[in-house]
Order: sequence, then structure tokens, then C-alpha cells
Amino acid sequence: AQSVTQLGSHVSVSEGALVLLRCNYSSSVPPYLFWYVQYPNQGLQLLLKYTSAATLVKGINGFEAEFKKSETSFHLTKPSAHMSDAAEYFCAVSAFTGGGNKLTFGTGTQLKVEL
Amino acid sequence: SAVISQKPSRDICQRGTSLTIQCQVDSQVTMMFWYRQQPGQSLTLIATANQGSEATYESGFVIDKFPISRPNLTFSTLTVSNMSPEDSSIYLCSVAREGVLNTEAFFGQGTRLTVV
Repeated sequence: AQSVTQLGSHVSVSEGALVLLRCNYSSSVPPYLFWYVQYPNQGLQLLLKYTSAATLVKGINGFEAEFKKSETSFHLTKPSAHMSDAAEYFCAVSAFTGGGNKLTFGTGTQLKVEL
Repeated sequence: SAVISQKPSRDICQRGTSLTIQCQVDSQVTMMFWYRQQPGQSLTLIATANQGSEATYESGFVIDKFPISRPNLTFSTLTVSNMSPEDSSIYLCSVAREGVLNTEAFFGQGTRLTVV
């Protein structure tokens, strides 16, 4: 079984400041990890994914995440926040089910960006 | 990527009634997933829908409450039956690319359901 813990249900940063959203995982097998973003009244959009090819993963909109096996973490960062980054962010871990991707999601972190 | 269309995008329903949500994908996929996102909470998998077989439900979800159809490789429906206010949630349809272990999932825009 796998699980994901996101620390901090709400994070507030100033525009231009560093964004750090925390995610820790638990998995009995090597995990596949994802970060999704959900803008108000929209579905989920993939930001980035860990594929085991590289521990530092770059995604869309300037986001990146680093897989740290020793810390069982996959924190999401962005050097400089923009107002348009305000959204809810979900970390997820997957278990392959022979043809599909069954995701287990964290509880989400609401990012607020202030002027 | 896959383009997923969900209908309706939102609805307000009376308790005791049922609502059927449709999910259309622009390509053929073996498995489709239905998730529920309750207000202020994360996504919870309801069931996995395979074409040509009964859906597989997660713990806490039953077919009588959430019947699912999967008539072909591009379409699925989820019905929320005998609704109560506790069913007020966003319901999301999801698919994944085939044959790739670390593939990401793609999501529809969701159906925002309010039960009054």
C-alpha cells in the first residue's frame, strides 16, 4: 500500500518569493510520484512526475521537485512565485494496476500568493 | 495526452434523486477511473471501470450507490443514486496512457454536484 502526506494545508507567500510545498510518501515498492495543480473550478493538471530517470524533475510553469529516497520526500519548489500560481496542489503516488494508473492523493495544499 | 469531456459540469439536485455523469475520452483506453473530491478534501478513488466487465470498487463505495457503465473504450458513466447532501462533491473522471508503468493520469474538468 502507498500513501502521501502533504504538510501544510495552506501556504502563503509573497509574489517573487520562493515556493516550497512539502510531500512525503510511503510505498512498499519504488514509487512513481506526481504533482498536480487544480485551479478554481477546473480539473487537475499535471505539473511534473518522477520517473526514476533523474531525482530532480522539472515541470511546467517553472516548478521542480526533487526525489529524496532517504527522506521519502518529493517536495515541490519554484524560485519565484507569481500571482497566477495561486491554486491547490496535490502530491500523488501511483500503483500500477496492469493497464492503468491508480493514484493515491495527498490532502492538498492551497497556495496563496500575495502582493 | 488525452482530452476528457465530462457532462454536466455542475448540477444542483434534490435529495433522493439520481444523477448520471458522462465521461468521453478522445482516444481508446482500457481503464477509466472515477474519483470523488469532497469539499476541502483530497481526491478519493471510487472505482475503476474496465470495458466489458464490472467496475472494481474501492473500500467504502458500492455498486448500488455508484453504478458505473463502460459500454466502449472511449466512454463511461457514473451514477450517484438516491442522493443525500453528503454526496455533494466534485466527481472526476480520469484515464491513463496504456502500457507505460510511470504514466500520468489525465483528468476531466469534473462535475460539481450540490445536493439540497
